[in-house]
Amino acid sequence: QVQLQESGPGLVKPSQTLSLTCTVSGGSISSGGYYWSWIRQHPGKGLEWIGYIYYSGSTYYNPSLKSRVTISVDTSKNQFSLKLSSVTAADTAVYYCARDPGGNSVVDYWGQGTLVTVSS
Amino acid sequence: DIQMTQSPSSLSASVGDRVTITCQASQDISNYLNWYQQKPGKAPKLLIYDASNLETGVPSRFSGSGSGTDFTFTISSLQPEDIATYYCQQYDNLPPAFGPGTKVDIK
Repeated sequence: QVQLQESGPGLVKPSQTLSLTCTVSGGSISSGGYYWSWIRQHPGKGLEWIGYIYYSGSTYYNPSLKSRVTISVDTSKNQFSLKLSSVTAADTAVYYCARDPGGNSVVDYWGQGTLVTVSS
Repeated sequence: DIQMTQSPSSLSASVGDRVTITCQASQDISNYLNWYQQKPGKAPKLLIYDASNLETGVPSRFSGSGSGTDFTFTISSLQPEDIATYYCQQYDNLPPAFGPGTKVDIK
């Protein structure tokens, strides 16, 4: 059973960089065939796809966030990470890491989500 | 970008009722549509993929249909555990986009 777990600070100051890590258990990121995604949900609102990465390092970023987003992978630790720079209050959201089999933007496993608040 | 709309935004129904939610895409997305269920405080759960295919382990009272721009999600007999918000999501074009959600309550 694959499990994903987000970790990182729950509070980030405006203009700083939000950094989150997703640890994958029950399966190897480097086995291939899966794309590893970040999706966020603003409080009480809908879902927004941030981007994804393949184990090889190839990435896709949502154009609405592309200038501020970096997703990276560490296969030795079976982790992938999100960095979002120059954050504002509008970046306050629950951030989910997720698995997408085949890169079709269909999520079959999600992390539990972590709330990140941007505030001074 | 493709925009997704859903209706209604919320509904209340009795246990055993048939519940129908509609989702519309701003352009033709063929059958590249998913439906997710999200319970309060939890991550979404995939119920339907490719517009009409039931994910493994999902009860058969859930179903989906449609193609092109118009899609329907149905719960044939609403159960108390179905209280949740339901989202459609297109994956025909990048970026993938979710609808705004439909909140389902028990009357």
